[in-house]
Amino acid sequence: QVQLQESGPGVVKASQTLSLTCTLSGASISSGGFHWTWIRHLPGKGLESIGHIYFSGTTIYNPSLQSRVSVSIDTSENQFSLTLKSVTAADTAVYFCARGFNRIKMYFDYWGPGIVVTVSA
Amino acid sequence: SYVLSQPPSLSLAPGQTATITCGGDNIGTKSVHWYQQKPGQAPVLVIYYNSDRPSEIPGRFSGSNSGNTATLTINRVEAGDEADYYCQVWDTNSDSVVFGGGTKVTVL
Repeated sequence: QVQLQESGPGVVKASQTLSLTCTLSGASISSGGFHWTWIRHLPGKGLESIGHIYFSGTTIYNPSLQSRVSVSIDTSENQFSLTLKSVTAADTAVYFCARGFNRIKMYFDYWGPGIVVTVSA
Repeated sequence: SYVLSQPPSLSLAPGQTATITCGGDNIGTKSVHWYQQKPGQAPVLVIYYNSDRPSEIPGRFSGSNSGNTATLTINRVEAGDEADYYCQVWDTNSDSVVFGGGTKVTVL
């Protein structure tokens, strides 16, 4: 059974860097065909894709966040990570990691439970 | 960038049919996916590739896509279907995932 679990600090100070990790169990992150993805749910708003990484290390980022975001992968630990620089209150959200299938018709079939991240002043 | 438009809310009684629309320019040429999200939980995929349904999703959920509108239909709505529903596509122009704003379904 594929499972994803987010981990990281629940509070980040404004202007600092948010770092989260997603650990995959029940499957190998090195298996092809999947894009390992970060998505966030902004309070009172909807879902927003942040970025994806393929096992080869190829990344795709949301154009609106591209200047601040980085996604990396650690195949030895079966994990992938998110780094978001220069955070503001607008980055307060629930952050999810998910498995994306099919590059140009991508959908997300497995999700982590989510982690609440609050940006403090 | 590509924009998906959903009605913000929909209220209906148990047993009725919920029709949730997702509008987008020539969305009929794209593959549309739908997610159900209940409060405090992760989204759950309910429809993929316009009309395919994961095995664990009840047959009451169905999808269609044509022209400028994709539709998620929930037949015989139950209290447990109360949730936010999001449509999603891959935008080839911006090479990115796009979500609709979500529709809150309330079962009275």
